[in-house]
Amino acid sequence: DAMVIQNPRYQVTQFGKPVTLSCSQTLNHNVMYWYQQKSSQAPKLLFHYYDKDFNNEADTPDNFQSRRPNTSFCFLDIRSPGLGDAAMYLCATSRGKGDTHYEQYFGPGTRLTVT
Amino acid sequence: AQKVTQAQTEISVVEKEDVTLDCVYETRDTTYYLFWYKQPPSGELVFLIRRNSFDEQNEISGRYSWNFQKSTSSFNFTITASQVVDSAVYFCALSAWGNTDKLIFGTGTRLQVFP
Repeated sequence: DAMVIQNPRYQVTQFGKPVTLSCSQTLNHNVMYWYQQKSSQAPKLLFHYYDKDFNNEADTPDNFQSRRPNTSFCFLDIRSPGLGDAAMYLCATSRGKGDTHYEQYFGPGTRLTVT
Repeated sequence: AQKVTQAQTEISVVEKEDVTLDCVYETRDTTYYLFWYKQPPSGELVFLIRRNSFDEQNEISGRYSWNFQKSTSSFNFTITASQVVDSAVYFCALSAWGNTDKLIFGTGTRLQVFP
């Protein structure tokens, strides 16, 4: 089945130690998104790629960066995780921008713990 | 300003009861899209429905139905004959023309269905 895959599902990192979360998709969608979701809150968009075009949200901390080496893969890098970065990180994809706003398909998420 | 309000933080029902989740949105755009997503305890957001602003027809899918009323800026979701498997957090989201396909989420409604 076509899907959005996130690895690992659970990640523990130490305060200040760089960590990378990965996302892959078999849907061949143009757009890939990264969201941060803290407990009992709505997902918060960090950034997204339309093909290779990177779009950062204005309030995304510089500590968060992303790479998209090809259509299928997208990575979230947290350069120096703080305790406040502990959250669920969700990757999503959609068919692309344009006149029609397509639904986004989400992966299962990576729960990040910072010790 | 664009905003989605889900006033019900948590709803508890007994199995087989009908339940309606409310969603009220704000946007100045005449073209926009509305979505509902389900987030079960596993964490993955599951797409349920997309509706554009020009289509006010109500929709039914099995036990799920949606009532879109532009006059009251509402897009409510009803589950008929609820089941334990319906227990989840449900998010309503808005994608407005000015923001391409960026999703603006409500704060979510946690539905608990007891046997």
